[in-house]
Amino acid sequence: DGGITQSPKYLFRKEGQNVTLSCEQNLNHDAMYWYRQDPGQGLRLIYYSQIVNDFQKGDIAEGYSVSREKKESFPLTVTSAQKNPTAFYLCASRDRGHSGNTIYFGEGSWLTVV
Amino acid sequence: AQSVTQLDSQVPVFEEAPVELRCNYSSSVSVYLFWYVQYPNQGLQLLLKYLSGSTLVKGINGFEAEFNKSQTSFHLRKPSVHISDTAEYFCAVIQGAQKLVFGQGTRLTINP
Repeated sequence: DGGITQSPKYLFRKEGQNVTLSCEQNLNHDAMYWYRQDPGQGLRLIYYSQIVNDFQKGDIAEGYSVSREKKESFPLTVTSAQKNPTAFYLCASRDRGHSGNTIYFGEGSWLTVV
Repeated sequence: AQSVTQLDSQVPVFEEAPVELRCNYSSSVSVYLFWYVQYPNQGLQLLLKYLSGSTLVKGINGFEAEFNKSQTSFHLRKPSVHISDTAEYFCAVIQGAQKLVFGQGTRLTINP
């Protein structure tokens, strides 16, 4: 089945550690996105990539980094510089073809700092 | 910058009653509009979208939404809700730079 796979579903991080969240899509979409979701605050854009080897900062990029070496993969690293990383992270990809500019989401990853 | 406002953070309704979740966006230029639903601990699922054409858009699970350009609104409606509709609903817009901007979400609670 085609879709977006995020892993791990749950991740615990000690303070001062970097962690990487995986996002893989087999939908052949060019654009990919990372959002952060906190209770009562909706979704906020961290980074997005319109094409391989290119990415742009979103609204809350500080303390995060990404790479886009392959079309199907867009991993997000939460660095120790992110002061409040506990949140639900959502990866998405965008179809500009037959579905008409629709963005599809993965199932999300919970990150907790312990 | 584009913004989306969901006017109600929580909406409680009784089962089989009608419901309307309100959404307004800031831009008057061409936009694409979406409604997503999120069940607990899950990602977002697309309910419906407006790209162009008819202003009344029908989606999954019996939901529909009406695009009103003059009022810059895209309210979501369902004539009769079910317990299984309990979830968080997000309105979103794409415009210009191709970033999807979300509203704050509306928590829909269905009471028996």
